[in-house]
Amino acid sequence: DQQVKQNSPSLSVQEGRISILNCDYTNSMFDYFLWYKKYPAEGPTFLISISSIKDKNEDGRFTVFLNKSAKHLSLHIVPSQPGDSAVYFCAASAMGNGGSQGNLIFGKGTKLSVKP
Amino acid sequence: DTEVTQTPKHLVMGMTNKKSLKCEQHMGHRAMYWYKQKAKKPPELMFVYSYEKLSINESVPSRFSPECPNSSLLNLHLHALQPEDSALYLCASSPQTVTNYGYTFGSGTRLTVV
Repeated sequence: DQQVKQNSPSLSVQEGRISILNCDYTNSMFDYFLWYKKYPAEGPTFLISISSIKDKNEDGRFTVFLNKSAKHLSLHIVPSQPGDSAVYFCAASAMGNGGSQGNLIFGKGTKLSVKP
Repeated sequence: DTEVTQTPKHLVMGMTNKKSLKCEQHMGHRAMYWYKQKAKKPPELMFVYSYEKLSINESVPSRFSPECPNSSLLNLHLHALQPEDSALYLCASSPQTVTNYGYTFGSGTRLTVV
């Protein structure tokens, strides 16, 4: 049973518009969430994270929103650029107290295509 | 078998020791990764192997030496580590580096350098 779900395998957006990537989770013990970005032939690289004590974290063009009651998070990219075209993975972990204590559970990814 | 298995789960080593972390998968994945995760920080990519060849080294110090003896195994050899190298070391695999799906992480090795 998937604990982290990215139900949209792909998303196509026009350059300059907003990209919204969604992620749902089922495990209420998750308290740390991350987004990773992956280009073809490269390993996933960390993009942005959010702790469960927050509902929003912003870093430049990237903003992650967390809705704990709905067990849902989303990544917003504004404005989208062609260089943002990649696969985006949502991941979750039960960090607990004192740091990382559990496995990082990844969703299956959403392929974002930003068209010029 | 849909898991990535990492051994040992916990390791304590001195700064003069030589030890190895092991990672194994039997999903037929041809890409394998090492990540390092410090407390309350996201995992950071260290190495990527594609078809048993090192394709990415993210400027990792030479005291960390990866090895991919075959398509199912990935090792990380450790020598002369520093206390600040204490972290959770995660292994991951995927069918290929270009794949969209099937990206699987192991549960990690918690390393303490004393």
